[in-house]
Amino acid sequence: QSALTQPASVSGSPGQSIAISCTGTSSNIGYYNYVSWYQLHPGKAPKLMIYDVSNRPSGVSNRFSGSKSGNTASLTISVLQAEDEADYYCASYGNRGVFGTGTKVTVL
Amino acid sequence: EVQLVESGGDLVQPGGSLRLSCGTSRFPFTTYWMNWVRHVPGKGLEWVANINQDGSVKNYVDSVKGRFTISRDNAKKSLYLQMNSLRVEDTAVYYCASDLGYLQFDYWGQGTLVTVSS
Repeated sequence: QSALTQPASVSGSPGQSIAISCTGTSSNIGYYNYVSWYQLHPGKAPKLMIYDVSNRPSGVSNRFSGSKSGNTASLTISVLQAEDEADYYCASYGNRGVFGTGTKVTVL
Repeated sequence: EVQLVESGGDLVQPGGSLRLSCGTSRFPFTTYWMNWVRHVPGKGLEWVANINQDGSVKNYVDSVKGRFTISRDNAKKSLYLQMNSLRVEDTAVYYCASDLGYLQFDYWGQGTLVTVSS
């Protein structure tokens, strides 16, 4: 069972901003700055969106941003677009990592 | 463009075996830790195993220890997962993924489906 907890679903209208939380412990998110976020579209390879808490890989839109406070990390998607509808998973290095429980993002 | 391509997934009975392969191209395979990650239908992602650059260090999630073996062939730029004593709960799409560092996965394949059912 994952030690990283995410909300099951988050929704927003096009153009809005949403945030997805990922709550861990002082042994993973709270201790290490190695939090990453992944986007999963059905039938496609998972895509790395954020690494090292807040870094974006080349080619990822700057509408995606990451942050961390204490034992909780967050992924914010600004100016929500239809193509952002997908499942999102956080991950963290540390005790009882790796992946979060996953969040389904719906664009209304 | 970097490519990771998994193969070997199939329908197998409980207790059976499968060997998954992951071929790579346009990718600095020998410089990366490599991983297998699985996605259970309707459920979440689960890290399964990883291996260091020269194959001397291997790690596994507890649920597959003693049943699965990860390996690599740097000359062929390929990653493998030997799966024995398969269980229904091993049913998943299996992905190979490269490790950017500290279990952060930058390149992924498209996955291969393993179904364990009688």
